[in-house]
Amino acid sequence: NAGVTQTPKFQVLKTGQSMTLQCAQDMNHEYMSWYRQDPGMGLRLIHYSVGAGITDQGEVPNGYNVSRSTTEDFPLRLLSAAPSQTSVYFCASQPDYTALGSNVLTFGAGSRLTVL
Amino acid sequence: KNEVEQSPQNLTAQEGEFITINCSYSVGISALHWLQQHPGGGIVSLFMLSSGKKKHGRLIATINIQEKHSSLHITASHPRDSAVYICAVFHGRWRDTGNQFYFGTGTSLTVIP
Repeated sequence: NAGVTQTPKFQVLKTGQSMTLQCAQDMNHEYMSWYRQDPGMGLRLIHYSVGAGITDQGEVPNGYNVSRSTTEDFPLRLLSAAPSQTSVYFCASQPDYTALGSNVLTFGAGSRLTVL
Repeated sequence: KNEVEQSPQNLTAQEGEFITINCSYSVGISALHWLQQHPGGGIVSLFMLSSGKKKHGRLIATINIQEKHSSLHITASHPRDSAVYICAVFHGRWRDTGNQFYFGTGTSLTVIP
């Protein structure tokens, strides 16, 4: 059981370049999400998905796109990288969508992105 | 606006000390999570609470829904407990709009041998 797998771990981009951060989970989790973590700030939600074919915006969606064509994969696309997108990105998943939830969030190992 | 506030921001303790980290939140929640992040590392979930108290080894987490407050206690602290501890609350129902997790900025704990 691999859990949540994020790639790449590190990436350096130039302003204006595009790239995709990959996130895959093998636990058949319905809920998947992307966060960014910046110094002095809590994790902030970029986009999330409650199931295949369903995505929605979080707190800081601008400059990012997502899709959920399968239950397993939830890639995050940076369309035209900007220095403000320099951050550590985490993908997370949770089994189901029940309101109370009896399950924990499972995080990927993180992807450190630097935009020059 | 900070929906989740943690205190203290930084904490240094001697090995063996009893540690308390506090979390206050302002939104209605259905679950509260305590997370641990080691330096340069990923994030792992320690507890998920919706009421009462949970214990796992030397870690104890409590929540008071009426007061919108949770605490994470570490008994007999050890240098390997050094990490950032993050409080996260889940607001709303998964399939409704506006549902999401809100995260505190974390408490950085250093335990000195």
